[in-house]
Amino acid sequence: SAVISQKPSRDICQRGTSLTIQCQVDSQVTMMFWYRQQPGQSLTLIATANQGSEATYESGFVIDKFPISRPNLTFSTLTVSNMSPEDSSIYLCSVEGQDEQYFGPGTRLTVT
Amino acid sequence: GESVGLHLPTLSVQEGDNSIINCAYSNSASDYFIWYKQESGKGPQFIIDIRSNMDKRQGQRVTVLLNKTVKHLSLQIAATQPGDSAVYFCAEKNNQGGKLIFGQGTELSVKP
Repeated sequence: SAVISQKPSRDICQRGTSLTIQCQVDSQVTMMFWYRQQPGQSLTLIATANQGSEATYESGFVIDKFPISRPNLTFSTLTVSNMSPEDSSIYLCSVEGQDEQYFGPGTRLTVT
Repeated sequence: GESVGLHLPTLSVQEGDNSIINCAYSNSASDYFIWYKQESGKGPQFIIDIRSNMDKRQGQRVTVLLNKTVKHLSLQIAATQPGDSAVYFCAEKNNQGGKLIFGQGTELSVKP
């Protein structure tokens, strides 16, 4: 199994600012994923982050808006840039384990 | 594009009754399906999975049924308990990239 922690757990930010979310895993993993969960909605994949390479973004998500770092096999960051109220969501980090995909507790972001 | 959706957005059951949560998927090439449980303030938690070469799989109090003919997936929870109250998501594993595609989610409410 994999234990995932995220920082911050929640934040309230002003529009136009940026927030960097950290994801820490207790074991080395190759593939890490970042998801967005808008209020009352399902999870949507933002990007896949592999160590040593550029993140791969899904349709509708761009690097300028959601830059991602993956400096090693246990850590990743997602930045939400130039935020607007539409960015208010839960952002979840996820890793692929041997048997299943694990999710962090999420970061609840509110943009005012 | 591909999508995974649910028939019922909310489900309310009496404690002790059986619950059935349904899901429809559209990508006939998918070969792996997972049910997740998400409690308030937490990330999704793996419940049970099934591969496309099976039509039924049982766990502790849970059973997943897969009907590939009509692209339908269901989760059955036996003797539903208040602790089962959560949002349940079906997810489809993309066999061409390993990406999880989530359905809309069903909120299960268990009345004591």
